[in-house]
Amino acid sequence: GQNIDQPTEMTATEGAIVQINCTYQTSGFNGLFWYQQHAGEAPTFLSYNVLDGLEEKGRFSSFLSRSKGYSYLLLKELQMKDSASYLCAVREGGATNKLIFGTGTLLAVQP
Amino acid sequence: GAVVSQHPSWVICKSGTSVKIECRSLDFQATTMFWYRQFPKQSLMLMATSNEGSKATYEQGVEKDKFLINHASLTLSTLTVTSAHPEDSSFYICSAKSLGTASIKAYEQYFGPGTRLTVT
Repeated sequence: GQNIDQPTEMTATEGAIVQINCTYQTSGFNGLFWYQQHAGEAPTFLSYNVLDGLEEKGRFSSFLSRSKGYSYLLLKELQMKDSASYLCAVREGGATNKLIFGTGTLLAVQP
Repeated sequence: GAVVSQHPSWVICKSGTSVKIECRSLDFQATTMFWYRQFPKQSLMLMATSNEGSKATYEQGVEKDKFLINHASLTLSTLTVTSAHPEDSSFYICSAKSLGTASIKAYEQYFGPGTRLTVT
């Protein structure tokens, strides 16, 4: 079966660093995505990992270990506007390339 | 580039009526479009995958006769919720995927802004 787990909620302080973990067990794997979603809005793309290792993009970094079925999203220099849900999604292989979304992590950034 | 629109952005309808939601890729051709549903405080659940000119592939548990999907062109897909009931009230989001260009990544899905459906 398909299983993608994330912590439900996290709280962090403005200016700090937070790491959001994602573990997955899927029938196929062709890449892992992280999205940010503010309430009532569509998800926005943050990062994409298909090979093991760290991808850095400004204040956001994402790590992937395919052998462990594990990824994390690292947010540095947290700002109040980073308060949002963060969604981990695995892309299945094959012709469909559909995304299976994790449960999502609601991050609250406090002053 | 890679803009996806949805119409309407919100809709209220009476129980038993049908509602059509449009998803358009504005500046690229979408070979595949996906329809998701999201209930409050939950993650996105894939409902169906549609490829231009062919029948949609529905996920397990999604009634294809209730959620009619048409992908008639490379820039337009529609989702019709037939005989809507209050339990169909949700946030419906589409995404579109292309074969890729210099500026549009083939591996990425581009999401529309979503449609809030409320059935009374």
